[in-house]
Amino acid sequence: EVLLVESGGSLVQPGGSLKVSCEASGFDFRDSAMHWVRQTTGKGLEWVGRIRSKVNGYATMYAASVKGRITISRDDTKNTTYLQMNSLKTEDTAVYYCCSQEGDFLTARWGQGTLVTVSS
Amino acid sequence: DIQMTQSPSSVSASVGDRVTISCRASQDISNFLAWFQQKPGKAPEPLISASSTLERGVPSRFSGGGSVTDFALTINNLQPEDFATYYCQQYHSYPVTFGGGTRVE
Repeated sequence: EVLLVESGGSLVQPGGSLKVSCEASGFDFRDSAMHWVRQTTGKGLEWVGRIRSKVNGYATMYAASVKGRITISRDDTKNTTYLQMNSLKTEDTAVYYCCSQEGDFLTARWGQGTLVTVSS
Repeated sequence: DIQMTQSPSSVSASVGDRVTISCRASQDISNFLAWFQQKPGKAPEPLISASSTLERGVPSRFSGGGSVTDFALTINNLQPEDFATYYCQQYHSYPVTFGGGTRVE
């Protein structure tokens, strides 16, 4: 059974940084691209970015709204992907989900999400 | 970016009803369209991918169809557990984009 478990969400001040994690199990993590999606009350669901597998050079891609402020990485030895967020803004407040890709279906499996609140 | 427009934004229905939700893409996405169901406090659950392929374990009362720019999700014989919010998503091009959601109440 595919299982994705996010952790690390918390309250952060504007301008601060935070790194959230997603530990995966139940599938071949090393060969899978991983995506991050966030959900806010106001803007709904928003794709944040993705990281491909080692064979695809760990290539990353980011949404324009977060480009330059976030970095997605992965540690295949720990079956974990990370979302590093810097220069956080109040509008980054959201539940952040990690998703695993299956074939062409980019967000086939979802974790339970982790809440990031940016507020002073 | 490809804009995804869902309609209606909410629909009132009763157990046993048939409900149809529409989703329109701002440009051709072939059949790279998925549907998700979300209940309060939970993550979105994939129902359908590739416009019409039911995900494992999804009841057959759910069906999807369409291609190019116009898509639909139909729920036949609505059950109590189907009252939720539904989202469409295109994954033809980056950035992946979602519709605004349809609440079935």
